[in-house]
Parts: sequence; structure tokens; C-alpha cells
Amino acid sequence: KAGVTQTPRYLIKTRGQQVTLSCSPISGHRSVSWYQQTPGQGLQFLFEYFSETQRNKGNFPGRFSGRQFSNSRSEMNVSTLELGDSALYLCASSPDRPKNIQYFGAGTRLSVL
Amino acid sequence: GQQLNQSPQSMFIQEGEDVSMNCTSSSIFNTWLWYKQDPGEGPVLLIALYKAGELTSNGRLTAQFGITRKDSFLNISASIPSDVGIYFCAGWNSGNTPLVFGKGTRLSVIA
Repeated sequence: KAGVTQTPRYLIKTRGQQVTLSCSPISGHRSVSWYQQTPGQGLQFLFEYFSETQRNKGNFPGRFSGRQFSNSRSEMNVSTLELGDSALYLCASSPDRPKNIQYFGAGTRLSVL
Repeated sequence: GQQLNQSPQSMFIQEGEDVSMNCTSSSIFNTWLWYKQDPGEGPVLLIALYKAGELTSNGRLTAQFGITRKDSFLNISASIPSDVGIYFCAGWNSGNTPLVFGKGTRLSVIA
């Protein structure tokens, strides 16, 4: 079975721009979660989608948004980029059972200049 | 929100030594997970624990689900250079609540 695939692996943007990141979950997984990882801050939960609906949301500003498609693929969008948005963005997918086990992709490294 | 306190933040050990790290919470969790992250990669699941008091091994790794349900421990025996990385604990409560992650323990192994 293929793992979680995130594209692109690396991105460089400038302040004020917007960016879209993509995540393809493991086949059969309907839940996709997104995290922001910065040095010293661990994994900060952004949001979770299940069957095209946002099921949980973390404490991030509205500039961070996401969506999920009928094939469970998910995208994350960040608008009006700020320098502090530079981070590794991780996507994880979960099976229906056990639903609390998450499998991570390799991440997208975003640098905002 | 819920937080996990993971310690130590970082550790430097000699190859061949045993390693211990732990995770504590003020809240009860029903599942504890341990992940390892190599540089430039996403976290990989090492061990999953589902019952209070449970002790589970995966090769040289052993993890325990604390009996109070508020803590978990990970031990690595006879460390080797490829054990280098960041180890994360994660807890899950119930229903559709998201996983809660600790901030990680960065392990360095000196050959």
C-alpha cells in the first residue's frame, strides 16, 4: 500500500502570496489531518477532515484553510503569507479503525521570504 | 486545551547506552502513541498502547501506558547511531477528538 503523499516537498514564497499544499492519504483512509511543525514548538494541529467535512479545527487564524475531495485527497491553503508561516507542514491520514492512529507524509517545507 | 509534557527535551548518549523518556499529562488519555521523526521526514509510528498498565515492545524499544492513564514511558535499549531523531508522544482521549502531541525529545547518539 502506498503511504501518505505530500506535494510539493519544498516551496519558497514571498510575504503576501498565497500557497496551496496537497495531500493524498493512504488508500481507504477517510480522515486527513494537517499539522504545522516549527523548531521547538512540536506539532501544532491545524485541522482534520473526514468525508469532505471539517471535523476538528486548531487555533490558527482564518488565513489557514483546507478542504477534502470525494477521493479523500486534501488540500491546505494559506493566504497572505507571513514570515512566521515558514514551517514544515505535515499531513496524516487515519483508518476508520483504529481511528486514533495517524500515518504521516514526509511533509512540505515552506519558506516565506 | 490539553497539553503533553515530554521530557527530556534533548539528550546526548553514548552508543550502547539505554535511553528513557516520558510524557505526562494533567488529563486522562485512552491511547498513547510513540512516534520517531528522522531529519527531513514525517513522524513514523513506533508503538501504540491501548490499556492502562500495558507494556509493549518493538525490537529494542519498550513503551508503557501508565496506570494513572496520565503518563507514558519509552525506553530504548543498547542505542545505535540510527536511533538519532526526534521522538514524539501523542495521546488520544475519545470520540473524534484530535491527537495531542508532546513537543518531542531530540536524541543524539555519540559513537
